[in-house]
Amino acid sequence: DAGVTQSPTHLIKTRGQHVTLRCSPISGHKSVSWYQQVLGQGPQFIFQYYEKEERGRGNFPDRFSARQFPNYSSELNVNALLLGDSALYLCASSLAVGARNQPQHFGDGTRLSIL
Amino acid sequence: AQTVTQSQPEMSVQEAETVTLSCTYDTSESDYYLFWYKQPPSRQMILVIRQEAYKQQNATENRFSVNFQKAAKSFSLKISDSQLGDAAMYFCAYRLGSRLTFGEGTQLTVNP
Repeated sequence: DAGVTQSPTHLIKTRGQHVTLRCSPISGHKSVSWYQQVLGQGPQFIFQYYEKEERGRGNFPDRFSARQFPNYSSELNVNALLLGDSALYLCASSLAVGARNQPQHFGDGTRLSIL
Repeated sequence: AQTVTQSQPEMSVQEAETVTLSCTYDTSESDYYLFWYKQPPSRQMILVIRQEAYKQQNATENRFSVNFQKAAKSFSLKISDSQLGDAAMYFCAYRLGSRLTFGEGTQLTVNP
């Protein structure tokens, strides 16, 4: 079975541009979460979506937005890119919101570099 | 707000020896989950072991085990018979609902 897949694997943008990152969850998983991992730090929670609705949001500016599609895949959008947005963006899927004893499974991430 | 602290930025161990990675957390909740994830240079976050806070028994997964001290809010990971493939960044994580809060990580080096 395929795991969580993310695209692209690596992306280079310049300041002020916008970017869209994509994530396909494990088959049967209905919840998708996004995390930002700056080099040398632990991942920080950005968003969680379940059944196409936002169920949680971390401490990130409105430049960050996301959505989930009927097939449970998800997109993370970042507008007006700043140098500080350079990071590894991780997507994780799980069966449901807060599903007991169901861990989140992570993809390989998208490395975003801002020049 | 929940916080997770890993006080050891780097650790090293000899192959076949045992190493313990430390983690403490802060929460006012009583029902939550704790995890250890491993992140090799390939970037993927791999689940190593998980612990449910309402279970007193410490979780074990083959060579990996935890020492969960709920009152002390401590959750350490013990790796026995260390292997070269265990070398990676290890993250302790706390989960309330579906939101994971991670520590800063411990870089584990395994020496042959």
